Amino acid sequence: NAGVTQTPKFQVLKTGQSMTLQCAQDMNHEYMSWYRQDPGMGLRLIHYSVGAGITDQGEVPNGYNVSRSTTEDFPLRLLSAAPSQTSVYFCASRMAQASGNTIYFGEGSWLTVV
Amino acid sequence: KNQVEQSPQSLIILEGKNCTLQCNYTVSPFSNLRWYKQDTGRGPVSLTIMTFSENTKSNGRYTATLDADTKQSSLHITASQLSDSASYICVVSAISNFGNEKLTFGTGTRLTIIP
Repeated sequence: NAGVTQTPKFQVLKTGQSMTLQCAQDMNHEYMSWYRQDPGMGLRLIHYSVGAGITDQGEVPNGYNVSRSTTEDFPLRLLSAAPSQTSVYFCASRMAQASGNTIYFGEGSWLTVV
Repeated sequence: KNQVEQSPQSLIILEGKNCTLQCNYTVSPFSNLRWYKQDTGRGPVSLTIMTFSENTKSNGRYTATLDADTKQSSLHITASQLSDSASYICVVSAISNFGNEKLTFGTGTRLTIIP
C-alpha cells in the first residue's frame, strides 16, 4: 500500500498565484485532513473531511479551500497565495474520526511564497 | 485553552545511551495521547497511542508512559541508534460534545544521536 501520497513535494509560488496540493490515500479511510507545520509551532489543522462530500474548517482555514468528491482524494487549494502561507503542509488520514485510530501522514509538501 | 508542552526542546546523546522525553498537557476532556516520530523532511509516523486507562505502552525500544492524574507523559528510548535522530511529537486528544476528536500537537523534541 502507498498509504497517503502528497504532490508536489516542493513548490515556489509568487504572491497572488493559486495552486492545488494533491492528497490521495489508498486505505479506504473516511477521515482526511490537512495540517500546516511552522517553526516553533505544533501542527495546526486547516480543513478536514469526515467522508466524501463533507468538509469542514479547522483552526486556520483562511486562504484555503478543500473539496472531497471521492473517498480517496482530498486536494487543498490556495486561492491567492500570500507569504504567510509559506509552510510545510501535511495531509493525514484515518479510519474514522472516532477516538484512538492511528493517524497516517503524507510525506509533506514544502511551499514557499515569494 | 488546550495546550501540550514538550521538553527538552532539543537533546543530543551518544549512540547506545538511553534518554527520556517529556510531555505535559492541559487538555480536557482527555481521550488519548499519541507519540509520533518525524524524520527530517518526512511526515510523522505513529509510535504509540495510550488511553486514559493505560499507563505504559512499548514499541520496540520505545516505551511511553502516561500519568493521567498529573497530566504527564514520557517517551523513553533505550539503547539509542543513529536512526533515532528525529523530532518526537506528543499529540493529545480531547473529545468534543459532539463526539469528535480534537487533537492538540506539541512542538516536538529534536533528538540527535551522535556516534
